[in-house]
Amino acid sequence: AQKVTQAQTEISVVEKEDVTLDCVYETRDTTYYLFWYKQPPSGELVFLIRRNSFDEQNEISGRYSWNFQKSTSSFNFTITASQVVDSAVYFCALIQGAQKLVFGQGTRLTINP
Amino acid sequence: DTGVSQDPRHKITKRGQNVTFRCDPISEHNRLYWYRQTLGQGPEFLTYFQNEAQLEKSRLLSDRFSAERPKGSFSTLEIQRTEQGDSAMYLCASSPRDGLNEKLFFGSGTQLSVL
Repeated sequence: AQKVTQAQTEISVVEKEDVTLDCVYETRDTTYYLFWYKQPPSGELVFLIRRNSFDEQNEISGRYSWNFQKSTSSFNFTITASQVVDSAVYFCALIQGAQKLVFGQGTRLTINP
Repeated sequence: DTGVSQDPRHKITKRGQNVTFRCDPISEHNRLYWYRQTLGQGPEFLTYFQNEAQLEKSRLLSDRFSAERPKGSFSTLEIQRTEQGDSAMYLCASSPRDGLNEKLFFGSGTQLSVL
């Protein structure tokens, strides 16, 4: 069975600090895709990144970076120099087979000014 | 591209009543999904359509739930004889193609409260 675990329920940091959100997944398939979504207070899930299981290159997009390690089944997300606008709930998700996203429980990130 | 639209944004109903939600996907997206999200949890898959065909339903979708997408455009999700446990955010998403790795575009959801 597929499962995504985000062990950090809530994180609170001061603006400009770096913060890492952890994600660990379980799947028996060799072909799968991993995603991160952001859910601001408005409720709409906003796509951040998609990675396939064959591409373990880390990715950087502005202040955001992702570390995919197949050996530990982890797909962690780091925000550098956090800003108040980064405050949201962040979800890690896994897709495999029929296109059903399996989400983790989410991490509520609060950036304090 | 106006995004995925859901109506209503909020619905309060009494236990035992029927409710219906509507989702308008992004134009020409042929896949449409329904998810349910309870407080403090990630969204859970309910069902999805490819065009007008409902291809998969989760075991979470009891026989009180029915979803339709009659012309392959908008979709409705109906809950009959609502129960307090149905209180949740109901999210709709669409994707443009059939590929395994296509990202989903989500609406802002319908928040259902059953009293």
